[in-house]
Amino acid sequence: DVKVTQSSRYLVKRTGEKVFLECVQDMDHENMFWYRQDPGLGLRLIYFSYDVKMKEKGDIPEGYSVSREKKERFSLILESASTNQTSMYLCASSLRAGYSNQPQHFGDGTRLSIL
Amino acid sequence: RKEVEQDPGPFNVPEGATVAFNCTYSNSASQSFFWYRQDCRKEPKLLMSVYSSGNEDGRFTAQLNRASQYISLLIRDSKLSDSATYLCVVTTTNFGNEKLTFGTGTRLTIIP
Repeated sequence: DVKVTQSSRYLVKRTGEKVFLECVQDMDHENMFWYRQDPGLGLRLIYFSYDVKMKEKGDIPEGYSVSREKKERFSLILESASTNQTSMYLCASSLRAGYSNQPQHFGDGTRLSIL
Repeated sequence: RKEVEQDPGPFNVPEGATVAFNCTYSNSASQSFFWYRQDCRKEPKLLMSVYSSGNEDGRFTAQLNRASQYISLLIRDSKLSDSATYLCVVTTTNFGNEKLTFGTGTRLTIIP
């Protein structure tokens, strides 16, 4: 079974702080993704990565950056947290780049509150 | 127009009934389709892929209509445990890169 692990279930930070959200997958998946989910807006893609040290912007990258130094780990960074970044953050992974019909496997999510 | 649209519901359905909902997508080049299920305060989990010829998994049937650009999910003999939000997911491949687009979900509540 695929396991995607996010470092925290709940996190409270202050405006202006630098925030790190960590995600690790144990199935040697090539693709990793960060989403945020907000009521009425669904899941929105922030950044994704198809390989180590590779990153691509998703639909809403502003205010975020990512790091993929190792294949199994994909980090989301909020450089200077703001209250509009309060959300549920979901990490996902899938098997291999360039192949269609591959589902994504999600971590439990991190509920981040910025005060 | 949104890339993927779903009726948000809520659908309140008595136990044992059959319920169906649709999801429309705007990009005719979309290639892969999925239904995910998300329980309250939990992560989305894959329910089933949707194949061109339609496919069934127990009480669940998924269908794809490329001409009209929609997918559907039918749940027969609904159980209380089917209560969840159902997310439609559409994949488009562009220069070898896949992009998954999620619908906002349809909330289903099964009533005893």
